Amino acid sequence: DTAVSQTPKYLVTQMGNDKSIKCEQNLGHDTMYWYKQDSKKFLKIMFSYNNKELIINETVPNRFSPKSPDKAHLNLHINSLELGDSAVYFCASSHEGLAGLETQYFGPGTRLLVL
Amino acid sequence: AQTVTQSQPEMSVQEAETVTLSCTYDTSENNYYLFWYKQPPSRQMILVIRQEAYKQQNATENRFSVNFQKAAKSFSLKISDSQLGDTAMYFCAFVSLGTGGTSYGKLTFGQGTILTVHP
Repeated sequence: DTAVSQTPKYLVTQMGNDKSIKCEQNLGHDTMYWYKQDSKKFLKIMFSYNNKELIINETVPNRFSPKSPDKAHLNLHINSLELGDSAVYFCASSHEGLAGLETQYFGPGTRLLVL
Repeated sequence: AQTVTQSQPEMSVQEAETVTLSCTYDTSENNYYLFWYKQPPSRQMILVIRQEAYKQQNATENRFSVNFQKAAKSFSLKISDSQLGDTAMYFCAFVSLGTGGTSYGKLTFGQGTILTVHP
C-alpha cells in the first residue's frame, strides 16, 4: 500500500564504502526526486528524473549517482562515502499535470550514518 | 533564485488553542505552488496543505488553513483546535511551475518551525 517506499530505512557504514539506496513509487507518477536533509533539518534537492531522464542536477559531488531503470524507480548510489554524507535522504515523486509538476509525495527517508 | 524563510525556529501552543506559523518567500515567478509539510518525530514528510498562486481563495484542510498574501509574498499556516498529534516540525515550501527550465519541479524549503503542542 505504501505510495513511495525506500530501502533501507537505516544504513550504517564505514568511510570509503560504496552504498545504494533504493526508491520505488506505485502512484504512477512520472517524476522522481532525491532530497538530502542535514543535521540541522535543512532539506535540499539533489536530483530529479522525469520519465527516466535527468532534469535537475544540483551541485552534488559526482560520488553521488542516481539511476532510474524505469519511471517507478529511482536509486541513489554513493561511492567513497565520507563523514559529511551522514544525513537523511528522502525520495519523492510527483505527476506532471497541465500546469506543470504537481504536489510531491515523500518516502519515509533513509538515515545514513557514516562512521 | 527562490528563497523561503521561516522566521520562527520554535513555537508552542496549548491543546485546543490556535497557532499560526509564518512563512515568507522571494521569487520573480508568477506561477507557482506553495506547500506546508509536516515532519513528526517518525521522520515522514507529510503534506498538510497546498496553495496555487493563481487562486485568490485561501486553501483549507479541516483544522488547517493558510493566509496567502501574494503581493506581500507571505504564506502563513493556521492550526485550529491544536492536538497533541500536531507536534512536529513544519516546513514551508515553494515550487515554480512551467514546462521546463532548471527550476522545474525544484521544491525549495524553509528552515522549518518546530511546533510543540502541550496538554
